Amino acid sequence: GAVVSQHPSRVICKSGTSVKIECRSLDFQATTMFWYRQFPKQSLMLMATSNEGSKATYEQGVEKDKFLINHASLTLSTLTVTSAHPEDSSFYICSAGGRPNYGYTFGSGTRLTVV
Amino acid sequence: ELKVEQNPLFLSMQEGKNYTIYCNYSTTSDRLYWYRQDPGKSLESLFVLLSNGAVKQEGRLMASLDTKARLSTLHITAAVHDLSATYFCAVHLKNTGNQFYFGTGTSLTVIP
Repeated sequence: GAVVSQHPSRVICKSGTSVKIECRSLDFQATTMFWYRQFPKQSLMLMATSNEGSKATYEQGVEKDKFLINHASLTLSTLTVTSAHPEDSSFYICSAGGRPNYGYTFGSGTRLTVV
Repeated sequence: ELKVEQNPLFLSMQEGKNYTIYCNYSTTSDRLYWYRQDPGKSLESLFVLLSNGAVKQEGRLMASLDTKARLSTLHITAAVHDLSATYFCAVHLKNTGNQFYFGTGTSLTVIP
C-alpha cells in the first residue's frame, strides 16, 4: 500500500516554456502532498505543501507564481514550472502519506532539464 | 529556523566494518524518518521512529531516537557493498502544518 506515482520521470524543455509534473496517490487519499527539489549531490529542499481544496503553502524563498501547485482532488497534485529557465533544472520529488507506522511515500521523481 | 544536520557527510568504509551515522535536529519533533537514495533514484523508506527511545532494526541497519537530545543514529553492522547509497534523516513537524525537513545526507561508499 501507499503507492505514489509521479509523471513524467524525465523531461527536457526549452527556456521560457512551462512544464507540468503530476503526483498521484494510487491506493490512498492524500489531503496533503509535499513537493521537494533536489540539486545534484545535495539534500532535498521542501518547496511547498500542497493542500487539497486550498492554496498551497510555500516555503520561504520559493516563488509561488513560478511554481504553481494545484491539488484539485484527494489523489492528485500538480506542480507547474512556469517560464522555465536553466537554473530550474533539478530533480523534483513529491511525497504523500504520513501514516504513523509507515511515514511518507515518495514519488519516483522527475528529472527536469531546461535548455 | 529548523536545522537538521547529519554527520558525517561522506563516509567510505570497508566491507565488514561497523559505523554510525548521526542526525541532530534543532527543535522538538514528533517523528523522525530514515531514507535511502540510490543515484538518480527517489527515496526508499527505511525506518519510522515515533517516540523517545525507539529502536528499529532491519538487516544490517539499526536506527534509534533520543528526543531529549534531539539525536537519531543509524548504525551499520558488518557493511556490505549493497549498502552503498546516500542516507537521509528527516524530521516531521506536525504542529507547523505537517512540514517535513531533510538532513544534509550522508553519502556512504562500502569498499570491498
